[in-house]
Amino acid sequence: GENVEQHPSTLSVQEGDSAVIKCTYSDSASNYFPWYKQELGKRPQLIIDIRSNVGEKKDQRIAVTLNKTAKHFSLHITETQPEDSAVYFCAATDNDYKLSFGAGTTVTVRA
Amino acid sequence: GAGVSQTPSNKVTEKGKYVELRCDPISGHTALYWYRQSLGQGPEFLIYFQGTGAADDSGLPNDRFFAVRPEGSVSTLKIQRTERGDSAVYLCASSLSNSGAQYFGPGTRLTVL
Repeated sequence: GENVEQHPSTLSVQEGDSAVIKCTYSDSASNYFPWYKQELGKRPQLIIDIRSNVGEKKDQRIAVTLNKTAKHFSLHITETQPEDSAVYFCAATDNDYKLSFGAGTTVTVRA
Repeated sequence: GAGVSQTPSNKVTEKGKYVELRCDPISGHTALYWYRQSLGQGPEFLIYFQGTGAADDSGLPNDRFFAVRPEGSVSTLKIQRTERGDSAVYLCASSLSNSGAQYFGPGTRLTVL
């Protein structure tokens, strides 16, 4: 099955700086890569996703890049704000429904 | 519109008891998923429904776990003879189709004493 590894496990950034989280996956057939943001005690919230037929996708301050050859994808958050503080999870799937999640990255934005 | 809802939000039970967890998906979503999230980890897939049928139950840990979706909308996850290791947050998600973005509910925190 699919195995997703996520780094770093914790990330502290100064407000206004950028944050980058990287994930690698094992199954070359994986074709869908969503990112979720989860605040303490809340539901995972889909923030951006990308399919394997594109290399990059951007939505305001958030962007995701995909390198199929290296089997890794990254989340980029620019101009970080205190409300960006949360746990971020990457996921991958090769069948469109069974998401395999990384272990999460706790992001803290220092004011 | 209304998102995915789950009840109860918290459930405390004793070892060996039976529990039922309910999920109401987003209206019109044909696909429904159950995941389990342990503390400090990402969600782990349990089961996927397309309509009324369980299309993939490969993530259910053992035969104490069972899920139904009799009318293709609400789903119930049933756990028999609960064990302390079953303690976790059980998350439900739904999507418009089996290849659509998955939207999660708030989860049910299950504690087995």
